[in-house]
Amino acid sequence: EDQVTQSPEALRLQEGESSSLNCSYTVSGLRGLFWYRQDPGKGPEFLFTLYSAGEEKEKERLKATLTKKESFLHITAPKPEDSATYLCAVQETSGSRLTFGEGTQLTVNP
Amino acid sequence: NAGVTQTPKFQVLKTGQSMTLQCAQDMNHEYMSWYRQDPGMGLRLIHYSVGAGITDQGEVPNGYNVSRSTTEDFPLRLLSAAPSQTSVYFCASRTGWSREGYTFGSGTRLTVV
Repeated sequence: EDQVTQSPEALRLQEGESSSLNCSYTVSGLRGLFWYRQDPGKGPEFLFTLYSAGEEKEKERLKATLTKKESFLHITAPKPEDSATYLCAVQETSGSRLTFGEGTQLTVNP
Repeated sequence: NAGVTQTPKFQVLKTGQSMTLQCAQDMNHEYMSWYRQDPGMGLRLIHYSVGAGITDQGEVPNGYNVSRSTTEDFPLRLLSAAPSQTSVYFCASRTGWSREGYTFGSGTRLTVV
C-alpha cells in the first residue's frame, strides 16, 4: 500500500526566512511525485511533477527535489502570499491513482 | 475555458437523503477522479475513471456511486447520506498522456445532519 508522510504539519516563517518541506513516500514503483498548493476554501493547484531521483523543478521561489525515498519543497525568501497548505502525492507505475499526504500548512508572516 | 466545474458549492442534507454532486470539465481530459478531504486525513480517493464508460473504486468507495457516460461529466451520487459523509468533495481531471498533475475543481462542501 502506498504511503505518503509530510512534515512538518505546520510551519511558521518570517518573510525572507528560507526553509524546506519534506515528503517521504513508500510506493512499489514510482511513476510520478506531485506537489500541489491549496489555499483555504479552494481546490489544490498543481505545482510540479517529478519522475526520477535527482530531478529538480523550479517555479519562482519554490524548488522541488526528489530522491528514492523522499521529496523536498524548498522555499527561498518566502513572501506572505506563499502562505498556503502544500500537498504531496505519489502515483505508482501500475495505475493512474494518486495517494496524497496530509499536507504542510505554511504561514509566512510579514 | 472553465476547467473543472463543480456544483453545488455548498449543500446540507438530512440523514438518509440522496443527492448527486455534479462535475464537468471542458478540457477533453480522459482521466477524472473524486476525492474527499477531511481534517487530519488528507485527500482520499473515492472513485475514478480513465475514460467514458470505465470507472473503478478508490480508497473509500462505500456509500458512493459514479458513472461516466460522456468524457465531460463525472457525477458522484450519494445513495443514502450519513453524517460520516460530511466532508469537502473535490473532482479532478487530467489527460492520459500529460506529465502534469490533475486539475481540481473548487469543491463542494457537504454537511449531513
